[in-house]
Amino acid sequence: EIVLTQSPGTLSLSPGERATLSCRASQSVTSSYLAWYQQKPGQAPRLLIYGASSRATGIPDRFSGSGSGTDFTLTISRLEPEDFAVYYCQQYGSSPKTFGQGTKVEIK
Amino acid sequence: QVQLVQSGAEVKKPGASVKVSCKASGYTFTGYYMHWVRQAPGQGLEWMGWINPNSGGTNYAQKFQGRVTMTRDTSISTAYMELSRLRSDDMAVYYCARDRAPIVVVPTANDAFDIWGQGTMVTVSS
Repeated sequence: EIVLTQSPGTLSLSPGERATLSCRASQSVTSSYLAWYQQKPGQAPRLLIYGASSRATGIPDRFSGSGSGTDFTLTISRLEPEDFAVYYCQQYGSSPKTFGQGTKVEIK
Repeated sequence: QVQLVQSGAEVKKPGASVKVSCKASGYTFTGYYMHWVRQAPGQGLEWMGWINPNSGGTNYAQKFQGRVTMTRDTSISTAYMELSRLRSDDMAVYYCARDRAPIVVVPTANDAFDIWGQGTMVTVSS
């Protein structure tokens, strides 16, 4: 099973600042099958990024993903008020499909 | 529009079973894998398995083998997840989620989850 470790656990930033979230895998992720999701309280997760760097339909271009192998990054270029949420990475290239433990982006 | 609508909250006793439904609309139900993911209160996301709505084939996470059964009814575009022998640590919100790529394009259930149901809270309490 591939274990995903996200850091930091919590990121305290102000609107307009840049957010950089990390996701490290215990072994190489097949074909960069790595996704990022956003989850707000009481809501289902929302797909942001798939294939490590492709934005899902309707996702603003301030969200970008990068990385390969075992190290992946989600960058939010300028935080908008609606971006404060919990973010999860997921690898879906091998079974079981595993998620990281999440990074909470909170308002400073 | 494309959406997944799940059944309502459930309260079960330890040892009982629960069956959650997920009705798809706005797309061809048999054309996309369906996954089930759960989230315990205040915790992260845990993948439980998938079903191929076309063939009925399933793949369960080893943790749930023997306790989970995923089925579908293509006539009403609905997927089901049944979990038996419930324990207190099964208390969670259960989500269905659609595989992003059509089965004809990616036949191996190897894609991200682009459409999610609203979630079904399952409470396990004596």
